[in-house]
Amino acid sequence: GIQVEQSPPDLILQEGANSTLRCNFSDSVNNLQWFHQNPWGQLINLFYIPSGTKQNGRLSATTVATERYSLLYISSSQTTDSGVYFCAARSYNTDKLIFGTGTRLQVFP
Amino acid sequence: NAGVMQNPRHLVRRRGQEARLRCSPMKGHSHVYWYRQLPEEGLKFMVYLQKENIIDESGMPKERFSAEFPKEGPSILRIQQVVRGDSAAYFCASSPLDRGASPLHFGNGTRLTVT
Repeated sequence: GIQVEQSPPDLILQEGANSTLRCNFSDSVNNLQWFHQNPWGQLINLFYIPSGTKQNGRLSATTVATERYSLLYISSSQTTDSGVYFCAARSYNTDKLIFGTGTRLQVFP
Repeated sequence: NAGVMQNPRHLVRRRGQEARLRCSPMKGHSHVYWYRQLPEEGLKFMVYLQKENIIDESGMPKERFSAEFPKEGPSILRIQQVVRGDSAAYFCASSPLDRGASPLHFGNGTRLTVT
């Protein structure tokens, strides 16, 4: 099945800094999603982005499907951005959305 | 437009008891997925169901776990004779009929604690 890898595993930032999170996947995908799991455990859907670029406020994402990777950009980070960011992908020959192991982000004031 | 509803939010069971977790998909969604998240880990696929059908249960433990999505009512994940290792967050997701080109929408999860 499809493999999903995320980097870096951990990221520590000071408030106001920018960051880039990466997601590599091993097969062609018809679904790629980015999630933020906040410290209370809620899973928040950030982007549905099997290809192309999208922006939502301080967050943006780009998926280059032909090269099998996606990037999540966080600009001017805030303490409320802390938590774990998951990438999840689904290939054409399966119904399963497979999650990466996540990037744990800590933003300090 | 309510999202995916899971209940209960928290569930405490003693070893050997049964746990029943409920998931009501978004309106108009006929596909339901269950995922498990062990402490400090990512989400692992368990089972994929459509109304009255189990499509893919390749992630379900072979024993004690079962899932259903009846014609009427919520999807149920049932864990019999729970053990401490079953303690985890269980997330449900739903998608509409054209699942191949649409995102999965996740609920807030049920946190199961086995004492």
